[in-house]
Amino acid sequence: DTGVSQNPRHKITKRGQNVTFRCDPISEHNRLYWYRQTLGQGPEFLTYFQNEAQLEKSRLLSDRFSAERPKGSFSTLEIQRTEQGDSAMYLCASSPRGQGTGELFFGEGSRLTVL
Amino acid sequence: AQKITQTQPGMFVQEKEAVTLDCTYDTSDPSYGLFWYKQPSSGEMIFLIYQGSYDQQNATEGRYSLNFQKARKSANLVISASQLGDSAMYFCAMREADSGAGSYQLTFGKGTKLSVIP
Repeated sequence: DTGVSQNPRHKITKRGQNVTFRCDPISEHNRLYWYRQTLGQGPEFLTYFQNEAQLEKSRLLSDRFSAERPKGSFSTLEIQRTEQGDSAMYLCASSPRGQGTGELFFGEGSRLTVL
Repeated sequence: AQKITQTQPGMFVQEKEAVTLDCTYDTSDPSYGLFWYKQPSSGEMIFLIYQGSYDQQNATEGRYSLNFQKARKSANLVISASQLGDSAMYFCAMREADSGAGSYQLTFGKGTKLSVIP
């Protein structure tokens, strides 16, 4: 499978715990995005990496959220001290350098439930 | 103001019939791109079709076509010959000019849930 891979697919945690999600983009893609999708809404942009550099962060990304992309390959999104409002689907997407349309290739998402 | 507006929370269509999903957008950039994605219950966002703001002709991809009316700022998706497997959420999205960081992020609407009736 050469698509975008995300794990875990589902995570249930108690309020106050830390969680980490991993995204493996398509191998030749240098751009990587994290989105959050809550029930009944479209995906909302969280952050963007070009290679290993985090170049853009949404105001939605509070101090409890941190994302990394060491060596420009896989990426992790960590949420510290989770709150019930963090319950959502976290989607990762990637795109190649210089791609004409800007189409994003999405993974299947990681669904977080905070109890 | 919403950048992408999808006014139909849910739509029903008979199998083999055509259906139009509405999308209006708001931007002041002369260069932008419009996308439609399908999201089945599995969660993955599947790219369907793209229309660039300078494209003279409406985009088509198999059973999908995009009715692009630039002056009205609308980009409706038309699905012809609906199939049961078309039942899913459909999202309209827009890419505007680069903010400088090179992100070309997409802004999504709230989606339309399409149900195909046998």
